[in-house]
Amino acid sequence: QVKLVESGGGLVKPGGSLRLSCAASGFTFSDHYMSWIRQAPGKGLEWVSYIASSGSSINYADSVKGRFTISRDNDKSSLYLQMNSLRVEDTAVYYCARGTDLVPGPDYWGQGTLVTVSS
Amino acid sequence: SSELTQPSSVSVSPGQTVMITCSGGVLAKKYARWFQQKPGQAPVLVIHKDDERPLGIPERFSGSSSGTTVTLTISGAQVEDEADYYCYSATDNNMVFGGGTRLTVL
Repeated sequence: QVKLVESGGGLVKPGGSLRLSCAASGFTFSDHYMSWIRQAPGKGLEWVSYIASSGSSINYADSVKGRFTISRDNDKSSLYLQMNSLRVEDTAVYYCARGTDLVPGPDYWGQGTLVTVSS
Repeated sequence: SSELTQPSSVSVSPGQTVMITCSGGVLAKKYARWFQQKPGQAPVLVIHKDDERPLGIPERFSGSSSGTTVTLTISGAQVEDEADYYCYSATDNNMVFGGGTRLTVL
């Protein structure tokens, strides 16, 4: 069965950095778009970034552009999110989600990892 | 417009039918998905391609589309359907979620 397990969340000060990881199993990782989606406490879902199966197409929400970098390692079936210059408003649960081979629209989601940005 | 608009809350009595709408210009050209999220849990896909139900999703969940509005219908709502529901679609380059609708079953 499809399994997505995020890790790397934690408490960081404003201006700091954090790297999130997502370990995938139960499907052919290299065939699928992958994305990061976040949810601030008590708020709705917000798309952060997606990456195509080969890594050839990448896009970011305006709120994180220039600060966050998405990447993937198909040999390790892993997705990453490097987050720099973190702000208080980046505090959220970050979900890793699987897309299809053609579009990033998510179907399966991980359980999420909490990132707290606070001084 | 790349925004998707949902009602913030709806309520239904057990066994009754409830509809949750999602409106946005992108829906005239792109498929929509619906996700169910219960407290403390990750979202679960309940409808994709406007009206297709993934394996394992109960038949009481259905979707429809008309112009710039998509609708999630729960026919015979159950207490366990109480959750937040989010619509989703995409522009050419961006992913976009609706603001979410809290469904209360009481």
